[in-house]
Amino acid sequence: AQSVAQPEDQVNVAEGNPLTVKCTYSVSGNPYLFWYVQYPNRGLQFLLKYITGDNLVKGSYGFEAEFNKSQTSFHLKKPSALVSDSALYFCAVAGRRGSTLGRLYFGRGTQLTVWP
Amino acid sequence: GAGVSQSPSNKVTEKGKDVELRCDPISGHTALYWYRQSLGQGLEFLIYFQGNSAPDKSGLPSDRFSAERTGGSVSTLTIQRTQQEDSAVYLCASSLAPGTGRVNSPLHFGNGTRLTVT
Repeated sequence: AQSVAQPEDQVNVAEGNPLTVKCTYSVSGNPYLFWYVQYPNRGLQFLLKYITGDNLVKGSYGFEAEFNKSQTSFHLKKPSALVSDSALYFCAVAGRRGSTLGRLYFGRGTQLTVWP
Repeated sequence: GAGVSQSPSNKVTEKGKDVELRCDPISGHTALYWYRQSLGQGLEFLIYFQGNSAPDKSGLPSDRFSAERTGGSVSTLTIQRTQQEDSAVYLCASSLAPGTGRVNSPLHFGNGTRLTVT
């Protein structure tokens, strides 16, 4: 079965500092991994995905994520945080077979707060 | 172009009443998903449609929950005899069909329906 874990409920960082939001996954076979962001009272917005290829994936709003197969991790990163990055971030892994194909399994989310 | 549209945006209902939540996906998206987001919880998968059929209903929490999709487009999630624990934000998402060469195209989410059962 596929699953992801986000070990931190909250991450706080000062504006201008680098940020990392952690995610680890558990899948059989090669994973399809995603990051989504949710702003208050909005749906989720796609940030980036890893399917295959380079381990460093670049996405929207200056975010990137590093796929690490040996550590089964897919941490979200940004070199310099902005106050406007404050939001709820979800890591997800996609189903690979049968009726789960395409379905996303989400982590519990990490609330990122960037303070000025 | 238009995104995923959900209505109503907010719904307050009394315990025991039935409610219907509507999702209008992006045109051309054949895959449609319903998720539930409760306070302090992650995103709970409810049901997945491919066209009008639902190959995966495994997430529906009880037989009070049902969903249908007609014409390969609009979907309705119905909750009968609502309970207070049904209070949550119900999110709908759509995507291009998985497994058609567009490997895991991103899900596009609506803004959700916030359901409050009093």
